[in-house]
Amino acid sequence: DVKVTQSSRYLVKRTGEKVFLECVQDMDHENMFWYRQDPGLGLRLIYFSYDVKMKEKGDIPEGYSVSREKKERFSLILESASTNQTSMYLCATRASNEKLFFGSGTQLSVL
Amino acid sequence: RKEVEQDPGPFNVPEGATVAFNCTYSNSASQSFFWYRQDCRKEPKLLMSVYSSGNEDGRFTAQLNRASQYISLLIRDSKLSDSATYLCVVILNTGGFKTIFGAGTRLFVKA
Repeated sequence: DVKVTQSSRYLVKRTGEKVFLECVQDMDHENMFWYRQDPGLGLRLIYFSYDVKMKEKGDIPEGYSVSREKKERFSLILESASTNQTSMYLCATRASNEKLFFGSGTQLSVL
Repeated sequence: RKEVEQDPGPFNVPEGATVAFNCTYSNSASQSFFWYRQDCRKEPKLLMSVYSSGNEDGRFTAQLNRASQYISLLIRDSKLSDSATYLCVVILNTGGFKTIFGAGTRLFVKA
């Protein structure tokens, strides 16, 4: 089974803090994604990566950056957290058959 | 207009009922289709792929109608454990692959 691991299940940060969300996968998938999910808005793509050191902006990249130094790890960075970044963050990988596999999510609260 | 639209529900049905969800998509470059299931405060998990010929997995049947640009999910003999949000997912092939999520349909199955 594919395993996608997100480092934290719940996180509370203060406005202005730098926040790192880590995601690790064990299936050698090339494509990795960061989404946020908010009630009524569904999943929105923040950034994705199709290879090591490669990254592409998704639909809502403002206020975020990413890092992919190794194939198995894709990190999401909030340079200066704001209250409107309170959300559920989901990391996913995509297999060659286009199926997505998600981590268990990080519920981030920015106070 | 959203690229993928679902009735948000909620659908409230008794155990044993048959329930059907539809999902419409607007982009003719839509190539692949999936249903995902998401339990409250959990990550989405793949339920089934959707093919033009229709496919069945136990009590679940998925259908694709390319002419009318919609996909459907039928659940027969509903169980309490079927209570969840069902996400329609469409993969676009526009040079690169793009994954579009519907906002989800909530299902409550009651005893």
